Amino acid sequence: ELKVEQNPLFLSMQEGKNYTIYCNYSTTSDRLYWYRQDPGKSLESLFVLLSNGAVKQEGRLMASLDTKARLSTLHITAAVHDLSATYFCAVTSGSRLTFGEGTQLTVNP
Amino acid sequence: ETGVTQTPRHLVMGMTNKKSLKCEQHLGHNAMYWYKQSAKKPLELMFVYNFKEQTENNSVPSRFSPECPNSSHLFLHLHTLQPEDSALYLCASSQDWQLQPQHFGDGTRLSIL
Repeated sequence: ELKVEQNPLFLSMQEGKNYTIYCNYSTTSDRLYWYRQDPGKSLESLFVLLSNGAVKQEGRLMASLDTKARLSTLHITAAVHDLSATYFCAVTSGSRLTFGEGTQLTVNP
Repeated sequence: ETGVTQTPRHLVMGMTNKKSLKCEQHLGHNAMYWYKQSAKKPLELMFVYNFKEQTENNSVPSRFSPECPNSSHLFLHLHTLQPEDSALYLCASSQDWQLQPQHFGDGTRLSIL
């Protein structure tokens, strides 16, 4: 059974600071996703990572994938308040998408 | 506008009631999904439909009954639910059941009294 673990689960950071969220998964997979969820809102797809060494960037967020280590990172650069949300990684196994518990990020002024 | 619309947004029901959740997607996708999101737990996949056919039932209790009349519509019929069934129920769709990403609706917040 595929297990997906994120850490930290809760992250409080100051504006302007950098930080990294980690996503580990237990079995081989060729596709990893990062989603964002604002309170009371739907999940929004941020990144799709398809191969080992893949790196994608959008604004202050950068995601990378190491399939050998079964690890993905979501790096936040110079955080701003608008980034406050819950971030989920999700990994495919066959046709199933398995989600991590989510990292609740709060960016404080 | 996410392209995936869920109704109602909020639902409060007693344990003996029967209600239905509705999901509609306007994206031309062929696969649709129901997820359960409970506090402090990962999203749990409940059902998968591909071209109106159920391809996965993730050991969901029979008090949850899905229906997919066509590729654009998905229902979740609820009957004799338990308090632990209170959660956010999310519908999602994707072009194909083996292709991602999935596009999510805003969810139905369900409370069981």
